[in-house]
Amino acid sequence: RKEVEQDPGPFNVPEGATVAFNCTYSNSASQSFFWYRQDCRKEPKLLMSVYSSGNEDGRFTAQLNKASQYVSLLIRDSQPSDSATYLCAVNKGGKLIFGQGTELSVKP
Amino acid sequence: DAGITQSPRHKVTETGTPVTLRCHQTENHRYMYWYRQDPGHGLRLIHYSYGVKDTDKGEVSDGYSVSRSKTEDFLLTLESATSSQTSVYFCAISLDRQTGNTIYFGEGSWLTVV
Repeated sequence: RKEVEQDPGPFNVPEGATVAFNCTYSNSASQSFFWYRQDCRKEPKLLMSVYSSGNEDGRFTAQLNKASQYVSLLIRDSQPSDSATYLCAVNKGGKLIFGQGTELSVKP
Repeated sequence: DAGITQSPRHKVTETGTPVTLRCHQTENHRYMYWYRQDPGHGLRLIHYSYGVKDTDKGEVSDGYSVSRSKTEDFLLTLESATSSQTSVYFCAISLDRQTGNTIYFGEGSWLTVV
């Protein structure tokens, strides 16, 4: 089993849809979690950090469930500009371990 | 902007040749990392550094070495490049461990080994 696993993609949704990605992790000692956005042939860019139960930034909400060892990302009112790959990362011993990413395509 | 510069950005090299990728940062961050990203594998940590001359291996370190003689530079060397090392390489920095190790990436170096 991989240390960090994400929903397989791609997710193809219409503009305005709400979409949710899940990320499960195996290390129960992890305390910090991150969502990154990566555009094609670009570097990953930090979208959101999650240290406790959750975090919200505009249309983006991240939730953490430590008991079930998963972190989710919810995007409301999705826009074509949200089309990208979303990477989940988990802090393990001071290093970030990444999932494979989930590709999102939002059609106008 | 985390002030990270990677060089070269693109390189094609032949199997068996040595290759060095450079990561330069301008903001005196202590922690630096090298990742590679491949389809089906995502981002995987190669080596990391907690300070000058303080480096350690990540999960895919075989075939790679690193050096950090100055705070601002973290070099990744492929001693004898192989086709399996064709990848995009990202350097990253983190501000400090107290932030939960939030890391910021450079723009990447695309390496093709033929």
